[in-house]
Amino acid sequence: NAGVTQTPKFRVLKTGQSMTLLCAQDMNHEYMYWYRQDPGMGLRLIHYSVGEGTTAKGEVPDGYNVSRLKKQNFLLGLESAAPSQTSVYFCASSYSIRTSGPSRHTQYFGPGTRLTVL
Amino acid sequence: AQSVTQLGSHVSVSEGALVLLRCNYSSSVPPYLFWYVQYPNQGLQLLLKYTSAATLVKGINGFEAEFKKSETSFHLTKPSAHMSDAAEYFCAVSGDNAGNMLTFGGGTRLMVKP
Repeated sequence: NAGVTQTPKFRVLKTGQSMTLLCAQDMNHEYMYWYRQDPGMGLRLIHYSVGEGTTAKGEVPDGYNVSRLKKQNFLLGLESAAPSQTSVYFCASSYSIRTSGPSRHTQYFGPGTRLTVL
Repeated sequence: AQSVTQLGSHVSVSEGALVLLRCNYSSSVPPYLFWYVQYPNQGLQLLLKYTSAATLVKGINGFEAEFKKSETSFHLTKPSAHMSDAAEYFCAVSGDNAGNMLTFGGGTRLMVKP
C-alpha cells in the first residue's frame, strides 16, 4: 500500500496563476482532507470530503476549490494564486465515522506539497 | 467548538533527559486526542491516540501520554530523549463532528542536544 500520495512535491507559481494539487489514497477511506501548514499555526483545514461527490468547507476555504469525483482522489485547486497562499499543503484521509473501532478517528497524512507564490 | 493549546513552541533537552511536551484542549464533548510527529520535510506520522479505552496511552518510539480530564490535558512524555527524536510535534483533538475533523495545536519543535 502506498497510503496517501500527493503530487507535485514542489511548485512555484506567479501571482494570478492557477494550479491543481492531487491527492490519492489506496486505503478505501471515505473521508479526505486538505490542510495548509504555516509556521506557528499548526495545520488548518481548508476543505474536506465525507464521500465521493461531496465536499465541505473547513476553517480557511477562501481562494481554494476542491473536487472528489472518485473515492480515491481529492483535488485542491487554486484559481488565482496569491502570495498569502505560499504554504505547505497536506492531504489526509480517514475511515468513515460509521466504521467501528478506534481507527475511525485516525487521519493518515501524505508527504506534503510545498507551494511558493511569487 | 474545540481548540488545542501547546505550551512552548520550542523545547530543548539534552540527550538522555526527560521529554515533556504540553497539550491542553477544550472540547464540548468527550474528545479523541492525538499526537503526531513531523520530521523535517516529511508528512505527519501518528505517535499515539486516546480514544477513551485507557488514560495512559503508549505510542511508538517510547513515547506515552496521559489523558487527564480534570486538567483537560494530554501531555506527551518520553523518559530518555534520543537525538532521533528531534522533530516537530503536534497535538490534535477530534470531537463529535460528522467529518472526523481534527483541530491542531500550533506545534512544538523539540531539539535534542548531545
